[in-house]
Amino acid sequence: QVQLVESGGGVVQPGRSLRLSCAASGLTLSTSIMHWVRQTPGKGLEWLAVISLDGNSQTYTDSVKGRFTISRDISTNTLSLQMNSLTAEDTAVYYCARESGSSGRAGWFDPWGQGTLVTVSS
Amino acid sequence: DIQMTQSPSSLSASVGDRVTITCRASQGISNWLAWYQQKPEKAPKSLIYGASNLQSGVPSRFSGSGSGTDFTLTISSLQPEDAATYYCQHYNSYPITFGQGTRLEIK
Repeated sequence: QVQLVESGGGVVQPGRSLRLSCAASGLTLSTSIMHWVRQTPGKGLEWLAVISLDGNSQTYTDSVKGRFTISRDISTNTLSLQMNSLTAEDTAVYYCARESGSSGRAGWFDPWGQGTLVTVSS
Repeated sequence: DIQMTQSPSSLSASVGDRVTITCRASQGISNWLAWYQQKPEKAPKSLIYGASNLQSGVPSRFSGSGSGTDFTLTISSLQPEDAATYYCQHYNSYPITFGQGTRLEIK
């Protein structure tokens, strides 16, 4: 059974950094395209980043480009999201998700992790 | 960026009713559209991909249709467990975007 479990969320001060992890089981990250998506009450679901099948390419949405970095560790089968220069607008539940199918340019998600809450506040 | 607009934002229906939710893309996306169901405090769950393909394990009362810019999600006979928020998502290109959600309540 495929399972994704996020961790690393918490309360962090504005301007600080936080690293999220997504432990995968039942799937191998080296054969999966993986994404991060976040959800806030105000902005709904927002796609953030994707890492390619070979791990050599990453794409980001504009709001996090230059601040967030998606990466993976094949040895531990773990996906990560390094988040720097955090602001209150980054407060959200963060989900990792596997790309289950694609248009050839982008994909849809299944499964999703359970999410981890990040709160940016002083 | 492609904007996804869902309607209605919320609706209330009775068990057994036929329910339709609409999603409109700001530009043509062929059939590169997915639908998700989200229950409170849970992650989204995939229902439909490719606009009309039912994800494995999803009840057959759910169906999707549309192409280009206009899409619908239909629940043919509403069940109590269908109370949730439903989201559409395009995957035509990056950035991927979602609709704002439709909250479905059971009367």
